[in-house]
Amino acid sequence: NAGVMQNPRHLVRRRGQEARLRCSPMKGHSHVYWYRQLPEEGLKFMVYLQKENIIDESGMPKERFSAEFPKEGPSILRIQQVVRGDSAAYFCASSPSGGTPGANVLTFGAGSRLTVL
Amino acid sequence: GDSVTQMEGPVTLSEEAFLTINCTYTATGYPSLFWYVQYPGEGLQLLLKATKADDKGSNKGFEATYRKETTSFHLEKGSVQVSDSAVYFCALITQGGSEKLVFGKGTKLTVNP
Repeated sequence: NAGVMQNPRHLVRRRGQEARLRCSPMKGHSHVYWYRQLPEEGLKFMVYLQKENIIDESGMPKERFSAEFPKEGPSILRIQQVVRGDSAAYFCASSPSGGTPGANVLTFGAGSRLTVL
Repeated sequence: GDSVTQMEGPVTLSEEAFLTINCTYTATGYPSLFWYVQYPGEGLQLLLKATKADDKGSNKGFEATYRKETTSFHLEKGSVQVSDSAVYFCALITQGGSEKLVFGKGTKLTVNP
């Protein structure tokens, strides 16, 4: 049973380019969360998605960032016109349901490290 | 809003030393509390958790007790090993319909032989 798969593991982009990060949740998991870890910081929540629905995007920057979780295929975090401040590790996590908090603990992927030159 | 405060690192210990990493929280409602560990170049792994007051989470020799009266969840280990070198994150989830974790900034631990 594969865990949460993220790719690419490392991505280098120049300022102004687009970055696409993919996340395949664990088998049987229908909920996906994206977190960002800036250098020397803890993880910050970005967005929570279920299949074809964004449930909570309160942590997403208002511009340039978007996320989707289509009916088929992985979840995608898209960053348009990247800037140096977007350099960070982006972690995806999945869970089987939104149920009782703490009962369905998130499983994290290994992260995608974005470097903006 | 909800928040988690961890002792600042880095922490450097010799092998077999006693470890304490302090964690306190502020939350509305009744949170579940977690410790995650991040080894170099890897993602986060759940180390232990506690879901109600006075619960003790334990794993791999690490322990933490949910103290509602002091709003704390300090991580302890009696004898650390070199392989415990990692970054440790305290986190919480509060009720609200989603498993949105709130993390502390992390404490980097280095254990020397």
